[in-house]
Amino acid sequence: KAGVTQTPRYLIKTRGQQVTLSCSPISGHRSVSWYQQTPGQGLQFLFEYFSETQRNKGNFPGRFSGRQFSNSRSEMNVSTLELGDSALYLCASSGGQGNTEAFFGQGTRLTVV
Amino acid sequence: AQSVTQLGSHVSVSEGALVLLRCNYSSSVPPYLFWYVQYPNQGLQLLLKYTSAATLVKGINGFEAEFKKSETSFHLTKPSAHMSDAAEYFCAVSKGASGSRLTFGEGTQLTVNP
Repeated sequence: KAGVTQTPRYLIKTRGQQVTLSCSPISGHRSVSWYQQTPGQGLQFLFEYFSETQRNKGNFPGRFSGRQFSNSRSEMNVSTLELGDSALYLCASSGGQGNTEAFFGQGTRLTVV
Repeated sequence: AQSVTQLGSHVSVSEGALVLLRCNYSSSVPPYLFWYVQYPNQGLQLLLKYTSAATLVKGINGFEAEFKKSETSFHLTKPSAHMSDAAEYFCAVSKGASGSRLTFGEGTQLTVNP
């Protein structure tokens, strides 16, 4: 069974640009969550999608958005990039109902210069 | 609101020694608790999880954790450290059974000395 796949693995963007990250969950999983990991703030929850609907949202500005497609694949978008958005972005998938663990992808390392 | 606190951002042990990584939680409802490990430039791998079935939880790679409600703790232990255990460890709590919205602790970097 394939794991959670995140693309790309590495990205370098310039301040002010926008970026889109992709996450393909484990087959059959309907919940996809996104996390930001930085040395200063640690691991922080961005949002969760379940069956194409945003189910939970963390405390991030509106520049951070996401969506989920009918095949459960998810994208997150960050607009007007700031230097502080440099981070490892992790995606996790879970069954969403009764399944009690989240499986993580290897992450996308975003560097904003 | 739920939260977890990991005591000690860095822990150093000798190979073969006991590993003890501390985690305390705060939750107004019965929590679901998890320990994850992260190797450099990698995602998170689940070590074990507590979902109220048993207070002593055994995980992968010889790790285990005990849920103690009276102490609001979920410490991670391993009897004998291996060089390959060197990594960062995260304790996390989830309100729902799905584990889809996790609140993480600050992480503990484990160093294993030969």
